[in-house]
Amino acid sequence: AQKITQTQPGMFVQEKEAVTLDCTYDTSDPSYGLFWYKQPSSGEMIFLIYQGSYDQQNATEGRYSLNFQKARKSANLVISASQLGDSAMYFCAMREVRPYYGGSQGNLIFGKGTKLSVKP
Amino acid sequence: NAGVTQTPKFQVLKTGQSMTLQCAQDMNHNSMYWYRQDPGMGLRLIYYSASEGTTDKGEVPNGYNVSRLNKREFSLRLESAAPSQTSVYFCASSEALLSGRENEQFFGPGTRLTVL
Repeated sequence: AQKITQTQPGMFVQEKEAVTLDCTYDTSDPSYGLFWYKQPSSGEMIFLIYQGSYDQQNATEGRYSLNFQKARKSANLVISASQLGDSAMYFCAMREVRPYYGGSQGNLIFGKGTKLSVKP
Repeated sequence: NAGVTQTPKFQVLKTGQSMTLQCAQDMNHNSMYWYRQDPGMGLRLIYYSASEGTTDKGEVPNGYNVSRLNKREFSLRLESAAPSQTSVYFCASSEALLSGRENEQFFGPGTRLTVL
């Protein structure tokens, strides 16, 4: 079965420094996708970044980058130049492929999350 | 565009009561999902609907029923609420394609449900 593991329940980082949030995954599917979402204290889920299993380069979106190491099955999120507004829960998720009615459907499996606190 | 909307935002029920959580999306997505979020557990899939007219169980379907009313709307019903169903419920939608960011899920603001 597919699984996502986030081993850091909570982390602290100083404002303006970079921080890495860990995510490892387990799947036997050769085609998969990895996502990171941010959940601030207000509760909404915000998409940050996506990495496909066949992508040759690591994904980047502004201050967010994904350190994708396929052989190690890890997809760590790197936030550069942390800001106070980055304080939030961060969830790693993997697309799971399930059959449905003769086709396929891609659902997401989420890790338990990492709570990031940015200190001024 | 409103994206994904959910009603109500908050709800308190007594054990045994029933209620329906409503969800609607205006992005013309084929797939819709219901998740619950509990402290320390991340998001767990309750039910999903890959397309209009189809629904399937997720990881934690017991105690819930769903209806995909049309392409826009996907409701979650608790027939006899239990304290274990106290949680935050999220609805989400996405395209049904398998590759790339098309599988990005767009989330509603959530419903905070307390069952006494």
